[in-house]
Amino acid sequence: DTGVSQNPRHKITKRGQNVTFRCDPISEHNRLYWYRQTLGQGPEFLTYFQNEAQLEKSRLLSDRFSAERPKGSFSTLEIQRTEQGDSAMYLCASSSSSSYNEQFFGPGTRLTVL
Amino acid sequence: QKEVEQNSGPLSVPEGAIASLNCTYSDRGSQSFFWYRQYSGKSPELIMFIYSNGDKEDGRFTAQLNKASQYVSLLIRDSQPSDSATYLCAVTRGSYIPTFGRGTSLIVHP
Repeated sequence: DTGVSQNPRHKITKRGQNVTFRCDPISEHNRLYWYRQTLGQGPEFLTYFQNEAQLEKSRLLSDRFSAERPKGSFSTLEIQRTEQGDSAMYLCASSSSSSYNEQFFGPGTRLTVL
Repeated sequence: QKEVEQNSGPLSVPEGAIASLNCTYSDRGSQSFFWYRQYSGKSPELIMFIYSNGDKEDGRFTAQLNKASQYVSLLIRDSQPSDSATYLCAVTRGSYIPTFGRGTSLIVHP
């Protein structure tokens, strides 16, 4: 296991379509985070899981966004009825229970909504 | 006022010089402070973190924290062209959820 992986790396979709992204964290990490980053900005927190429990969601996360981590391993982030404003890099990160502050980021999924 | 402020730059320094990157934060209850490096088109990677007032050194990097002034900085000694990247400052308060600044672009020219 060499790190956090995310799929797909790029996604182009039309406005109104649904998209789903997957994140596989570092295997022993029990915390998993989702962020969104737009050009010229730092990552913005969306939500995080500890094991399978979703513990916090940002106010930024509209009802069109949903995330799951059903078995406490990989996680999915779904965006329904995509809008052009959803175009961004979606980053996943994970951390271990012994060092929550040290988050390791995946390569990200770049979403373009046409 | 944004919670974490950084000058977007770019900050340009010659190779071998000291690069000084600065960050201010608004929440006095912030407890942990982080510096991430992000190369263009890549994801952030953690360089170092600091919890207590003062300096923390790790190789060519030194983080400095002044809670009274709500100020954290990163010094990079003997800057190399490979240090050219965006440096993100982040702070947390208790829940381990970081709030990031917009980042400072650093250019180290030969």
